[in-house]
Amino acid sequence: GEDVEQSLFLSVREGDSSVINCTYTDSSSTYLYWYKQEPGAGLQLLTYIFSNMDMKQDQRLTVLLNKKDKHLSLRIADTQTGDSAIYFCAYNFGNEKLTFGTGTRLTIIP
Amino acid sequence: EAGVVQSPRYKIIEKKQPVAFWCNPISGHNTLYWYLQNLGQGPELLIRYENEEAVDDSQLPKDRFSAERLKGVDSTLKIQPAELGDSAVYLCASSSRTRPYEQYFGPGTRLTVT
Repeated sequence: GEDVEQSLFLSVREGDSSVINCTYTDSSSTYLYWYKQEPGAGLQLLTYIFSNMDMKQDQRLTVLLNKKDKHLSLRIADTQTGDSAIYFCAYNFGNEKLTFGTGTRLTIIP
Repeated sequence: EAGVVQSPRYKIIEKKQPVAFWCNPISGHNTLYWYLQNLGQGPELLIRYENEEAVDDSQLPKDRFSAERLKGVDSTLKIQPAELGDSAVYLCASSSRTRPYEQYFGPGTRLTVT
């Protein structure tokens, strides 16, 4: 959606780190999310961050939030072939509707 | 714990025919969402239920789309009549009272209208 911008494609070598970026326009959003979608599947909730946080780490995943620049990023350490998917950035205000970006297709190069 | 269940997974119909999609949310989740995902795009909300009540249906095209969640558990989304432009993936999601900010999605129903 126009409220959330993401690059369409990213290619990364296996074992390297992947960094997927997202910019959003709504500064009052409370929660920001990363979802993963594999071919023919629904969306898997990977991680999320509250807007009063700057960083969240969960195993190989690191989320960074820069509220001033309205920029969210997802870093995947030691990228594996199973990480190939489309990654969606999204935000909302609690249990209300999620507003998604168009998704970034991550391709892993062997 | 079982995830969100949707059926059918795939549906092919001719234009002007009716079609229905079914969703069973995660047990105990009071909020249920229907999203529409067009090819190459992120999902967009069609309707959100709190228990039996539709609390946000502003994006639901009410001339041809309808939804119900009669007992506050499973839900049905219907299109009548279907148009070519309705070809998309219809996703159902749910969230709980205790963690309302965590929406979990089902596998979706891929609709093709010919």
